[in-house]
Amino acid sequence: GAGVSQSPRYKVAKRGQDVALRCDPISGHVSLFWYQQALGQGPEFLTYFQNEAQLDKSGLPSDRFFAERPEGSVSTLKIQRTQQEDSAVYLCASSLVHITETGELFFGEGSRLTVL
Amino acid sequence: AQRVTQPEKLLSVFKGAPVELKCNYSYSGSPELFWYVQYSRQRLQLLLRHISRESIKGFTADLNKGETSFHLKKPFAQEEDSAMYYCARLNDYKLSFGAGTTVTVRA
Repeated sequence: GAGVSQSPRYKVAKRGQDVALRCDPISGHVSLFWYQQALGQGPEFLTYFQNEAQLDKSGLPSDRFFAERPEGSVSTLKIQRTQQEDSAVYLCASSLVHITETGELFFGEGSRLTVL
Repeated sequence: AQRVTQPEKLLSVFKGAPVELKCNYSYSGSPELFWYVQYSRQRLQLLLRHISRESIKGFTADLNKGETSFHLKKPFAQEEDSAMYYCARLNDYKLSFGAGTTVTVRA
């Protein structure tokens, strides 16, 4: 594809509902990241995959958050029993090689989650 | 975690005037620093990285280890420079972003 694709672009959930956010990285990109961006803040790291391996999930706020990338391409971020504080834009980013080689991440347009 | 600080939330300048966006980082021997930009209705993208010492769209950023700063500068701002700018630091394999500065360039 032309770039990192995320869906849905907008999601409104009632408190307590489960949501799933999808990321389709650029084909062949090895590294995949999820970031959370609250209003007026910069993106905050959530989790990192290298191919299908989740190498770091230290940024996930609670055990309600779960991410997977089973075949090393598409990734899904799942949030269970959503809370109002989960309202944010969730950004997915990918990199062809290990990020330390270039420092460049290619970002998707984000999924804006609003929890009522 | 090593973080970056962007003290200005908003910056407004006139077209043709110089613009400087401040970024400070917590001390570490050899930081790898970047500026990312998000134009209206576009996705976040890399603007420049300090190791390449390049000038992109007229912007430059110099790493000042003595002041632990990585300010972004452009001598003559253009209207198309209006955007959200994020300073970022690479910690191992993770990019840590500042809170961002919204730049508005007025005609």
